[in-house]
Amino acid sequence: EAGVAQSPRYKIIEKRQSVAFWCNPISGHATLYWYQQILGQGPKLLIQFQNNGVVDDSQLPKDRFSAERLKGVDSTLKIQPAKLEDSAVYLCASSSLRGAYEQYFGPGTRLTVT
Amino acid sequence: DAKTTQPNSMESNEEEPVHLPCNHSTISGTDYIHWYRQLPSQGPEYVIHGLTSNVNNRMASLAIAEDRKSSTLILHRATLRDAAVYYCILFKNTGNQFYFGTGTSLTVIP
Repeated sequence: EAGVAQSPRYKIIEKRQSVAFWCNPISGHATLYWYQQILGQGPKLLIQFQNNGVVDDSQLPKDRFSAERLKGVDSTLKIQPAKLEDSAVYLCASSSLRGAYEQYFGPGTRLTVT
Repeated sequence: DAKTTQPNSMESNEEEPVHLPCNHSTISGTDYIHWYRQLPSQGPEYVIHGLTSNVNNRMASLAIAEDRKSSTLILHRATLRDAAVYYCILFKNTGNQFYFGTGTSLTVIP
């Protein structure tokens, strides 16, 4: 079974630029999550999708972050414009059901904002 | 959401058992106790979870206190590949988000 795929693995941009991350979850998984992990901290949930609908985006900075999951499969997370404090690893995870105990994580995208 | 408290770091000798503690004094009756670990430069991976009874799987054992206010993840024989950050998480299966905290960084000494 293929795991969660993410791209790119690394990205360096200047502040005020835009960036987008892509995630392909495990086939058949209805729930998809985006997390932000700042160095030295645990992952923090940004947004949770159930199929192509948003379940929880309470911690997503909506003035600059946006995410979509078209057709309930792949997802993209965008930051526009980026700030220095957005430097972090962005992790995508999926699970078969909402509330399922096991989330499968991708390798993450390391973003550096200069 | 209920929170957990873990030591920042622990060390273990290779091939010895490791007991990773977690305090969750504000746990509610519907909270499951989950453990994930994160190896360097990788995303977190599921280790084990339980509700009230002790649990065993191929990776680890989970011992849950009778009052459920604490739990312990047990790695029976630590290997170098077990060096990771271990997160203890409380999670309601109604779909609430995971709160990872800062976890315990485990160092395995050869």
